[in-house]
Amino acid sequence: NAGVTQTPKFRILKIGQSMTLQCAQDMNHNYMYWYRQDPGMGLKLIYYSVGAGITDKGEVPNGYNVSRSTTEDFPLRLELAAPSQTSVYFCASTPTGLNTEAFFGQGTRLTVV
Amino acid sequence: GENVEQHPSTLSVQEGDSAVIKCTYSDSASNYFPWYKQELGKGPQLIIDIRSNVGEKKDQRIAVTLNKTAKHFSLHITETQPEDSAVYFCAAPRRDDKIIFGKGTRLHILP
Repeated sequence: NAGVTQTPKFRILKIGQSMTLQCAQDMNHNYMYWYRQDPGMGLKLIYYSVGAGITDKGEVPNGYNVSRSTTEDFPLRLELAAPSQTSVYFCASTPTGLNTEAFFGQGTRLTVV
Repeated sequence: GENVEQHPSTLSVQEGDSAVIKCTYSDSASNYFPWYKQELGKGPQLIIDIRSNVGEKKDQRIAVTLNKTAKHFSLHITETQPEDSAVYFCAAPRRDDKIIFGKGTRLHILP
């Protein structure tokens, strides 16, 4: 049972480039979340999804897009990378959003130069 | 803001002493209160949680207490050990399905 898998683990992007951060879970969880964690800071919610075909904005959605075509996958897209998007990105999933443990991936460390 | 406040941001305690971290929340619909531990280079992991029908829960050296009237809950670590050094986060899942985390507490265990 792999849990929540994020790829890639590390990436360096140039300003203006685009990329997709992948997140997959094999626990059949309905709820999935994307967070970013800046150095020495807490977790800020970017986007979340309560099921396939449904996505919603979190606290800091600007500059990002998501899709949820299947229960398992929840990719995060950066269209025009900016230095302010340098961060560690974590994907998480829960069976339901309330009252249950969140399972996190190992994170993707992104640097935009 | 998103209404989960966590204090302190940094905490240093002597090995063997106790550590207490506190969170306050604003959504009265919240009824699940977890604490996560994040070790260097890893994602957060749940260490203990409490639901609104109980006031305290213990798991060996770790305990969580909840005061729903005052809307705060605390993490207590007793007999601290070097491996307790990490960043700790509280969270307050909300009725709109967002899970909002506190800003984290960096705990240093001093030898």
